[in-house]
Formats: sequence, structure tokens, C-alpha cells
Amino acid sequence: GAGVSQTPSNKVTEKGKYVELRCDPISGHTALYWYRQSLGQGPEFLIYFQGTGAADDSGLPNDRFFAVRPEGSVSTLKIQRTERGDSAVYLCASSSRLGGTGELFFGEGSRLTVL
Amino acid sequence: AQSVTQPDIHITVSEGASLELRCNYSYGATPYLFWYVQSPGQGLQLLLKYFSGDTLVQGIKGFEAEFKRSQSSFNLRKPSVHWSDAAEYFCAVGGNNQGGKLIFGQGTELSVKP
Repeated sequence: GAGVSQTPSNKVTEKGKYVELRCDPISGHTALYWYRQSLGQGPEFLIYFQGTGAADDSGLPNDRFFAVRPEGSVSTLKIQRTERGDSAVYLCASSSRLGGTGELFFGEGSRLTVL
Repeated sequence: AQSVTQPDIHITVSEGASLELRCNYSYGATPYLFWYVQSPGQGLQLLLKYFSGDTLVQGIKGFEAEFKRSQSSFNLRKPSVHWSDAAEYFCAVGGNNQGGKLIFGQGTELSVKP
């Protein structure tokens, strides 16, 4: 696609439920990132994939959060036993730069609300 | 600790006036610096970046930023603001060996008065 696509754009769930958020990066981009943006804050890094493997998952807050990218393209962020504090906008970005720091292209985000 | 500080949470300027958004960073290695803009309903868009070389960098939409190592600053400027510039602006820092792992400031919301 022309840009980074994220689905769903909005997700409302109940505390304790399981949630999956999907990211479809720009075609050909090898690097994929997940960030989380809480209300009134800047994005916070969660995890970074280079190809199929997670190159850096140091930003995942705890073991309820997990992300996969099985074929090196689409990625899914999975959140188990959701808590109200997980409510945020989850941003996905992709980049064509191998290693180093290049321009990140962001999607519009998935807004998660945990009731 | 690595961090980015944007001291101004909200700024209002008149259309046609000049703009400066402040950004200070703390980073242990050579910093790569970025400014992103976020408009309602849209994803973050890169305005400009600094990796090395000339400390005054030009970006899209008429924006520029100046890297001042001695002040650990990377302030964003625009000589004449347009109403369409109203948005949230984020400063971010990363490093050469950090992939796309960026540390963002909390953002500055810009309002433009007619």
C-alpha cells in the first residue's frame, strides 16, 4: 500500500480481555516499529523488527505484551489480560533503512480503550 | 538518562508571525535529532532531521531547525506561520546504532490565531 496501515482504528474492550492490533507496513520496508502514545504524551518505543525477528523489544512494558512478524511484512501486537492502563494509541511505523536511524513512516494508529 | 524535553506544552501565535518551538535533549552518544508533526486524524510526519554536518537544517513546509551541541538544543523555527500549521509537534532523539528506536518529547501543541 501507499502508507502504513493499521487496523482496527478504534478498539474498545473490557478489562481482562485479549486484543490484537495489526500493522501493514509500506511495501518493501524491512524495519517495523511499534510505539505507544498515551494521552498528552509523546510516543514511547515498544519493539522493533528487522525482517522477521525482534531486534529490540526493550520497550515492552511486561509479559502481557507480545508482537510477531512471521513473514517479515505484516505485524501483530498482542495484549493479554488487558488493563485500564493499557488504554492508549498504538502506533506502527516502518522504515527502509537497514540498521542505523532513518526516516520512520507512521500509521494513523489504533486507539485502544480498556473499560 | 536519555530524554527529550519540550518546555512548552501549548503555544499560540498569530498567522504570519514567526515561530520557535524549543527542544532540549539528553543523550549519551552522538544524537540524531528529528522533528515530527501530528495533525488530527493523521499519522506522525517527519518535518526534518539532523544527523551530522551543517547545524542548520531545512525541512518541509518551510520549517528549519538548528542543532546547538553546547546547549543540547534542537529548536524548530518558521519565519511566517500559516493557519494550516496548527498541529502537535514532537522532537525526538535517536542514535546511529539504535535502529529506529527514538525517544520523543511530550509534544508542543501549536494554535494559530487568524
